Formats: sequence, C-alpha cells, structure tokens
Amino acid sequence: EIVLTQSPVSLSLSPGERATLSCRASQFISTYLAWYQQKPGQPPRLLIYDAANRATGIPARFSGSGSGTDFILTISSLEPEDSAVYYCQHRTNWPPSYTFGQGTKLEIK
Amino acid sequence: EVQPVESGGVLVQPGGSLRLSCGASGFTFSSYEMNWVRQAPGKGLEWVSYISISGSTIYYADSVKGRFTISRDNAKNSLSLQMNSLRAEDTGLYYCARVDYSGMKFWGQGTLVTVSS
Repeated sequence: EIVLTQSPVSLSLSPGERATLSCRASQFISTYLAWYQQKPGQPPRLLIYDAANRATGIPARFSGSGSGTDFILTISSLEPEDSAVYYCQHRTNWPPSYTFGQGTKLEIK
Repeated sequence: EVQPVESGGVLVQPGGSLRLSCGASGFTFSSYEMNWVRQAPGKGLEWVSYISISGSTIYYADSVKGRFTISRDNAKNSLSLQMNSLRAEDTGLYYCARVDYSGMKFWGQGTLVTVSS
C-alpha cells in the first residue's frame, strides 16, 4: 500500500510570498499524482493532475512538479483566498484505488 | 454546469444500513468513472470506492470492503452506495466525484452520514 506524506503539516505566510508544499510517496508512482485545495465548508477543488498539469480554470500561480516519489505544489505569489488545506492524491491503475495525503494547512497572515 | 448531487445521508444507529445516491447533471455520466470519497468531521479525505464506466470494475477501501456496495445506472445518470453494518467510524461527509485523469475534477457538496446511538 502506498502512503503519501505531506509536509509541512501547516505553514503561515504573507500575501505575495511563495509557498512550497511537499508530498512524498512511499513507493515509485511515476507522475500519477493530483493536488487539491479545500476551504472550510466546501468540497475539494482539483488544482493539478498528473503531477504537473493545471486543471481547467486554475490560476497560473499554482504549479506542480515532481515524479517518482517526490512532488511539489508551488503557489508563486500568495493571495488571501489561498488560505486552505491542500491535499495530494495518488491513483493506482490496478487495482483502481486512491490514496490521499494527510493535508497541509496554509494560512495567509 | 457539471454538478454531482448527493443525497440520502441521515442519522443511523450502529449496525444499521443506509443507501446514498448521487445524481449527475451537466455531463455525459455514462462516459466517466466515478468515486465515493468521505471526510470525517475535522479530518482529511478518505477514498471509499471506485466504479468503472460500465460498472464491471469495482473496488473498495479495506475499511469498507464487505460492508459497502457501489453501483451505477447509466440510463438514469445515477450512482449509489449501499452501506451496511454501519459503525461510528463511518460518520462523515460523503462525496461523489467524477474521475478525470489521475484526479477528480467535479465533486458534489456531500451528504452527511452520522452513525450514533
């Protein structure tokens, strides 16, 4: 079973700063990784799929990178509305199952 | 607008049963794989179950295997989750979500299941 470990658990940054969120897989997962943003009272919002592809409608300040076991979500210039919990997620092709990381809570000061 | 809509969540006693439904609109339901994902209060996301486009491939998280059954009716654009032998740890918000590439692009607002005596 693949385990995804996100770091840091939480971080607090100011508007305009750069945020770097990490997701590490316990085994090689190629680029089968997605990132989500979840705000209180809302469902998750897909930001990035296949490690580096921005989903439709996602601002260009969000970018994803990595392959193998180490992945990064970068928010280049933070906006107040970026305050949320961010999750990474992996899908195995067979059997078709999904794993989520435990989340990183981002606070905008 | 692409919008899955879940329903069926209620308060149920431990050991009880419940059937959740998800109606899909704004997209061709019969062309997409679907998932159920849940979130316990104040906790992270947990994948529950997957179903292929035709319904021929189904998979469950170990935590619900043998107790939950996923199904779909492409003619009615609907997804279901039959939940039996419910436990307190099954409490949470249950989302249906459309599979897109390695992720899930469209999620409903969720339906709340509370298992308590």
